[in-house]
Amino acid sequence: DSGVTQTPKHLITATGQRVTLRCSPRSGDLSVYWYQQSLDQGLQFLIQYYNGEERAKGNILERFSAQQFPDLHSELNLSSLELGDSALYFCASSVTDNNEQFFGPGTRLTVL
Amino acid sequence: GDSVTQMEGPVTLSEEAFLTINCTYTATGYPSLFWYVQYPGEGLQLLLKATKADDKGSNKGFEATYRKETTSFHLEKGSVQVSDSAVYFCALSGLSNDYKLSFGAGTTVTVRA
Repeated sequence: DSGVTQTPKHLITATGQRVTLRCSPRSGDLSVYWYQQSLDQGLQFLIQYYNGEERAKGNILERFSAQQFPDLHSELNLSSLELGDSALYFCASSVTDNNEQFFGPGTRLTVL
Repeated sequence: GDSVTQMEGPVTLSEEAFLTINCTYTATGYPSLFWYVQYPGEGLQLLLKATKADDKGSNKGFEATYRKETTSFHLEKGSVQVSDSAVYFCALSGLSNDYKLSFGAGTTVTVRA
């Protein structure tokens, strides 16, 4: 158990809908990262937050957004969902901007 | 940009066989290098890491050496067990201020009893 929790574990929804994925980092970790794992794109970095502020953006679509709250949990919002958004979404956390990241179990999103 | 290329597999081995998964990277400067493992139905776990040239990372019988001259970080284990069946990802980070991880495609390893 990495200490990073993600909810829900599974999510099934329809095209055009909006969903929110939640991540609670390890106690004391200030940095949160979101990654998408899909069959065709592999594991890709989406976005990073550090102590509430956006730190870096990767291959994140404009339909996706994220935030990190004062209690350091983070949410990833996916809107106008398309079939191709079906994937496993991982959250990772680290103490600061060092590079040892601990991953959560992931949220599997299925868009029908 | 930064990228990681790893042997895609799948790789099927018998128990106690020797495992090697090749990983090479493209990056300017000196990234940190990692191997992560993903067991079926689980998230990624850090297996080992190396932060500078010639460093050797090791854990649970797995080893990888950071080779700057060949830009490689090959994963090896001398005697695999059934419990080593998983997907292995090579990754790099640390070349920018965000420490995001750039992953290879992953290698599926199946160990038969």
